[in-house]
Amino acid sequence: LAKTTQPISMDSYEGQEVNITCSHNNIATNDYITWYQQFPSQGPRFIIQGYKTKVTNEVASLFIPADRKSSTLSLPRVSLSDTAVYYCLVGDGGRGFKTIFGAGTRLFVKA
Amino acid sequence: NAGVMQNPRHLVRRRGQEARLRCSPMKGHSHVYWYRQLPEEGLKFMVYLQKENIIDESGMPKERFSAEFPKEGPSILRIQQVVRGDSAAYFCASSPRDRDHYTFGSGTRLTVV
Repeated sequence: LAKTTQPISMDSYEGQEVNITCSHNNIATNDYITWYQQFPSQGPRFIIQGYKTKVTNEVASLFIPADRKSSTLSLPRVSLSDTAVYYCLVGDGGRGFKTIFGAGTRLFVKA
Repeated sequence: NAGVMQNPRHLVRRRGQEARLRCSPMKGHSHVYWYRQLPEEGLKFMVYLQKENIIDESGMPKERFSAEFPKEGPSILRIQQVVRGDSAAYFCASSPRDRDHYTFGSGTRLTVV
């Protein structure tokens, strides 16, 4: 199972773009990269998932280089409500995700 | 389409009592996963179930903990003879297939006094 490494915390200001990078050097060929967001006292919420290159949805973009050993979650123009913990997961589904929820990255957005 | 429903939201038990946590997956989801989260920590996988089957319980303590997902009704995580160390937030997630991303419930916060 691929292990992930993320920064423990990040600070930003409202309106800025935030990029959170996750390292996963041992990613397997059939692994996908998935990011979740968690607010206090709530369950994690799916943000975005990708396999390679770039994926974009209404919330975020996910950039994955050709070697797939890292990925970057990009949050455009953050607001105070984006303050949360962001988890990077690597796996091929149920079995792949079972031990990969690390401590995540705590993002603090300031006014 | 209601999301993943967990109840109760908060549960207080005395040491030695039993705790039963319920999880109703999203409609159409047949895969259920349970996670435990201690304060300021990430989620730790406990067990993965499909209807009437335990697929992977490698993250669940061998004693006092059990899980089921019957043909009818919610998935149940059962903790017998609770101890203070069992105090945590327990999250349930579901997915339509085991390779899909998960939808999480709001969790049950268990406090053992």
